[in-house]
Amino acid sequence: EVQLVESGGGLIQPGGSLRLSCVASGFTFSNYAMSWVRQAPGKGLEWVSTISGSGDSTYYADSVKGRFTISRDNSKNTLYLQMNSLRAEDTAVYYCAKLRPVAGIDYWGQGTLVTVSS
Amino acid sequence: NFMLTQPHSVSESPGKTVTISCTRSSGSIASNYVQWYQQRPGSAPTTVIYEDNHRPSGVPDRFSGSIDTSSNSASLTISGLKTEDEADYYCQSYDRSWVFGGGTKLTVL
Repeated sequence: EVQLVESGGGLIQPGGSLRLSCVASGFTFSNYAMSWVRQAPGKGLEWVSTISGSGDSTYYADSVKGRFTISRDNSKNTLYLQMNSLRAEDTAVYYCAKLRPVAGIDYWGQGTLVTVSS
Repeated sequence: NFMLTQPHSVSESPGKTVTISCTRSSGSIASNYVQWYQQRPGSAPTTVIYEDNHRPSGVPDRFSGSIDTSSNSASLTISGLKTEDEADYYCQSYDRSWVFGGGTKLTVL
């Protein structure tokens, strides 16, 4: 059974940093690209970032480029999102997602809430 | 990049059929696969359609997806509506980056 368990969310002041983690199980982690998708309170889904299975290729939404860094440790089956220079508009539930080989998301985690506020 | 436009809300009665549209603003809808995600209140999203018209295992065949190049749109059709289908539905596609539609709230009453 595929499981994706996020952690690391919390309350952080504007300008601060936070690192999210997502521990994966139930599949060969290194074989699959992974993504982060976020959802602001009461709003829709927004793609944040994607990383290839090897970790060699990364992609970012314009809204987070230069501030967020996606990475993975395939030996630990863990996906990360380092978030710097956080803004109020980054407040959201952040979902970890396993991608299908061709297109779209296969499995979603339960999400971790990040609140940026003074 | 392009936008995906969905109706804000739709409603239908149990047992009926409903179709949710997703219109691509520029570029062909057929250029990149469309996915559909269901999000029940208070829960994480789940995938109900991938690669335009494929159902993941466990998704009932009451759910179907299609694309229409003449209207440059994708559609999610749910037949035999059940109260458990009440949720937000999001379409998603890709060009140079991922794009999600704004979501459609389905009410089954």
